[in-house]
Amino acid sequence: KAGVTQTPRYLIKTRGQQVTLSCSPISGHRSVSWYQQTPGQGLQFLFEYFSETQRNKGNFPGRFSGRQFSNSRSEMNVSTLELGDSALYLCASSLGRPATNEKLFFGSGTQLSVL
Amino acid sequence: AQKITQTQPGMFVQEKEAVTLDCTYDTSDPSYGLFWYKQPSSGEMIFLIYQGSYDQQNATEGRYSLNFQKARKSANLVISASQLGDSAMYFCAMREGGSSGSARQLTFGSGTQLTVLP
Repeated sequence: KAGVTQTPRYLIKTRGQQVTLSCSPISGHRSVSWYQQTPGQGLQFLFEYFSETQRNKGNFPGRFSGRQFSNSRSEMNVSTLELGDSALYLCASSLGRPATNEKLFFGSGTQLSVL
Repeated sequence: AQKITQTQPGMFVQEKEAVTLDCTYDTSDPSYGLFWYKQPSSGEMIFLIYQGSYDQQNATEGRYSLNFQKARKSANLVISASQLGDSAMYFCAMREGGSSGSARQLTFGSGTQLTVLP
């Protein structure tokens, strides 16, 4: 079974641009979560989707948005990029609706560099 | 307040020895799940072990065991017989049940960098 696939693996953008990251969950998984990982802030939660609905949202500005499609694939978009948005963006999928025992399976991430 | 605290930024262990990575958590929710993940230098987060708040016994998965002390709000990871391939960053995480019928997000600690020495 294929794992969580994130594309692209690396991305270089300049300040003010926008970017879209893609995530394909494990086949059959219906929840997708997004995290931002930086050396200074660690792993910070962005959003979680289940059945195309946002179930949880982290404390990020409105420049960060996401969505989930009917096939469970997800995209996240960052508009008006800032230098501080440089990070590893991790996507994770899980089988069912958000629950305390739901294990998240992570992709390898998209490394975004903003110049 | 930090929900997950990992007080050891870095740890060293000799190959074949056991090591304990500390994790304390803070929640008032009676229903929660505790997880440990491993992140090698490649970046992918790998699930290791899970413990539910109502589980009576400590979780075990191969060489990994979780020392769950509910009253102390502690969920330490024990790795037995360390291997060179265990060198990685280890994250403790918690998921609270919440009150809306849908659990809250998985929240991570700051991690512990484990280095296994030959």
